Amino acid sequence: EDQVTQSPEALRLQEGESSSLNCSYTVSGLRGLFWYRQDPGKGPEFLFTLYSAGEEKEKERLKATLTKKESFLHITAPKPEDSATYLCAVQVGGGKLIFGQGTELSVKP
Amino acid sequence: DTAVSQTPKYLVTQMGNDKSIKCEQNLGHDTMYWYKQDSKKFLKIMFSYNNKELIINETVPNRFSPKSPDKAHLNLHINSLELGDSAVYFCASSQQRQKGEKLFFGSGTQLSVL
Repeated sequence: EDQVTQSPEALRLQEGESSSLNCSYTVSGLRGLFWYRQDPGKGPEFLFTLYSAGEEKEKERLKATLTKKESFLHITAPKPEDSATYLCAVQVGGGKLIFGQGTELSVKP
Repeated sequence: DTAVSQTPKYLVTQMGNDKSIKCEQNLGHDTMYWYKQDSKKFLKIMFSYNNKELIINETVPNRFSPKSPDKAHLNLHINSLELGDSAVYFCASSQQRQKGEKLFFGSGTQLSVL
């Protein structure tokens, strides 16, 4: 069965304290791994797509990496405005996305 | 100009009622989706339409019926609402169903069944 698991469920950081979020997956036929950011009361907002092991993508303080079994979202020197829930999802056939349960990140000044 | 808009934002209703949620996208996308997010923030796909044709229908009770009058609109009608239907429902769209095609989400409809 296709499955996505994110850890930790919640992460509290001080401003400037770098860390990583994990997304482990087991799917048959990965067509892409996605990272989304979700703010309270809003819909998920696209961050990155990764397709193959070894691939990396960066955007401001965020960097996403991919292996054959997991993906990491590295946050370097986070700021309070990075506080949000970060969702990982894998794409399978038919364009369907299977989401993990998310990591709620809180960055304190 | 909102890319994916859904109405209403909040919906509070009694058990047994019938309600609808509307969704419209102005991105010119071919594919639209309904996702349900439970209280633990877990997002799960319910339906997907491509050019008005149903292509994904997950294990969802028959009380839920999607309707796509054209490729820019995908509405969700729910009959005989139950307490367990309380959740946030998100509409989304993508250009196509191809590999790596990212989804654009609406801001959600928070449904509370009393």
